[in-house]
Amino acid sequence: GENVEQHPSTLSVQEGDSAVIKCTYSDSASNYFPWYKQELGKGPQLIIDIRSNVGEKKDQRIAVTLNKTAKHFSLHITETQPEDSAVYFCAASTARDSSYKLIFGSGTRLLVRP
Amino acid sequence: DAGVTQSPTHLIKTRGQQVTLRCSPKSGHDTVSWYQQALGQGPQFIFQYYEEEERQRGNFPDRFSGHQFPNYSSELNVNALLLGDSALYLCASSFGTGGKTQYFGPGTRLLVL
Repeated sequence: GENVEQHPSTLSVQEGDSAVIKCTYSDSASNYFPWYKQELGKGPQLIIDIRSNVGEKKDQRIAVTLNKTAKHFSLHITETQPEDSAVYFCAASTARDSSYKLIFGSGTRLLVRP
Repeated sequence: DAGVTQSPTHLIKTRGQQVTLRCSPKSGHDTVSWYQQALGQGPQFIFQYYEEEERQRGNFPDRFSGHQFPNYSSELNVNALLLGDSALYLCASSFGTGGKTQYFGPGTRLLVL
């Protein structure tokens, strides 16, 4: 069935270091991969996304890479700051009859130590 | 520009009761999807509404039902509440069913006692 696996479940880095979160998806028809940041008590906030016709996308300190052959995609955060501390979710979009839904990973709790 | 709004923010119910949650999509969006997020887990897709019809449904029982109104706002109804229904219920809006970018609201925290 449709599944997205996400690793690691927790990640602790020193301020200024880089953080990498990896996801694997099962549906080879998936073609849209968003990343969300969720702070305590809030809804998920879209931070970056990538479509299957692109291998890499960057937005300031955040970048996402996609390997469609291996069905892997990753989030890279450089020069981490304490305000980057949150839970990050990857997702893959799957379609049925032109209607799309998101399948989420289980989340990564990122802690940036000052 | 108002984002996705949801009401109420918190709700406490007892087993067997029924609950209705509400969502207003982001301006310009016409599609609403509902997700359930249990504590410590990723959101799970419940269903999606477009043109006032349910377009796709996840693996949730018939106790979960929904509605979309002509102004694109939506309701999620859950009947015969179980303890396991306690979760954060998230609404996401997008433009068209093929519009894959979904923006989430703050959620409604439901506690079933």
